[in-house]
Amino acid sequence: EAQVTQNPRYLITVTGKKLTVTCSQNMNHEYMSWYRQDPGLGLRQIYYSMNVEVTDKGDVPEGYKVSRKEKRNFPLILESPSPNQTSLYFCASTHFYGANYGYTFGSGTRLTVV
Amino acid sequence: AQSVTQPDIHITVSEGASLELRCNYSYGATPYLFWYVQSPGQGLQLLLKYFSGDTLVQGIKGFEAEFKRSQSSFNLRKPSVHWSDAAEYFCAVLNRDDKIIFGKGTRLHILP
Repeated sequence: EAQVTQNPRYLITVTGKKLTVTCSQNMNHEYMSWYRQDPGLGLRQIYYSMNVEVTDKGDVPEGYKVSRKEKRNFPLILESPSPNQTSLYFCASTHFYGANYGYTFGSGTRLTVV
Repeated sequence: AQSVTQPDIHITVSEGASLELRCNYSYGATPYLFWYVQSPGQGLQLLLKYFSGDTLVQGIKGFEAEFKRSQSSFNLRKPSVHWSDAAEYFCAVLNRDDKIIFGKGTRLHILP
């Protein structure tokens, strides 16, 4: 089944403790992206990657890191999480060109930083 | 800058009634437009998309949308809603920087 898999689904952590949210897709998509979703603010892009070893900042990159060493994986790293990073996070991927353009989203990771 | 506006934060309709969710975009060229649905506790699912050609596009779950360039709109419609359609709906546009810009969403409530 074509899908984007995020782990974990739920995470509670303490301020300053480094964490990684994993994202993997099995559709050979070139483009992958991380979003955070907050009430009243909608979906905001954190980072995106147009291909292996190519990453770029989205609208709200502060406090986050990403890497794209393999085409299928795009982990989100919070080096020193803070309470304002409490949010619902989504990974998404898509082919970058042509009729198949359109995000496939993961199921989300609900992160709470205390 | 390109943007997407969904004027209605909440909409309530009765089961079996017709539905129209509004979306207006700001974009100079022919836009790539999308509608997504997010059910409670789930990720977003692509309902339909418009790239070019026929301005009335059909999607999954019985939804359709019509692109109207003169009104800069891409409204989502369904002739008869079901209780399972209760969800949040997002309109989106692909901008010049190859980023997908999302609207703030419209939450749909269904009355039995």
